[in-house]
Amino acid sequence: DSGVTQTPKHLITATGQRVTLRCSPRSGDLSVYWYQQSLDQGLQFLIHYYNGEERAKGNILERFSAQQFPDLHSELNLSSLELGDSALYFCASSVGDFTGDEQFFGPGTRLTVL
Amino acid sequence: GQNIDQPTEMTATEGAIVQINCTYQTSGFNGLFWYQQHAGEAPTFLSYNVLDGLEEKGRFSSFLSRSKGYSYLLLKELQMKDSASYLCAVRWRKTGGGNKLTFGTGTQLKVEL
Repeated sequence: DSGVTQTPKHLITATGQRVTLRCSPRSGDLSVYWYQQSLDQGLQFLIHYYNGEERAKGNILERFSAQQFPDLHSELNLSSLELGDSALYFCASSVGDFTGDEQFFGPGTRLTVL
Repeated sequence: GQNIDQPTEMTATEGAIVQINCTYQTSGFNGLFWYQQHAGEAPTFLSYNVLDGLEEKGRFSSFLSRSKGYSYLLLKELQMKDSASYLCAVRWRKTGGGNKLTFGTGTQLKVEL
């Protein structure tokens, strides 16, 4: 158990819908990272927050948005869902700001868009 | 852009040593990570290199040569549980500040008896 929690574990929804994925980092970690992993694309970095502030954006679509709240938990919002958004979404946390700190990954949320 | 290459698959024998290579072309290089991922599970951090040389951590070692854009992960005394995907990831500094992380597609290692 990494100490990072993600909810829900599984999510099945339809095209065009909107969903919210939630992540709670390890106690004491200020950074939260979101990743998408699909079979054909591998692991893709989406976005990084540090202490409530957006630090870096990766391959995140405009239909997706995220935020980190004052209690440091983070939410990833996916809207106008398409079939291709079906993937495993991981959240990771670390103490520092994308330094060599070890990143601890949560168990992931498996999203299926039908 | 960022480009990372690793072999797709490798097979090795229990108790042996295996080396998984990773080559990259990137601007603003700022560190290289190795992760292990078992099927259906989250990645787990193995190592981080930002300077040239070898980092050793138990049965796992990672090497970096920045001038060659090359890294390898060395696994010794292989165990069946080491069968997993090994992901190389490059951290790079983007123009205007901030860091990003780009992953390779992973090397699927199969350990056999």
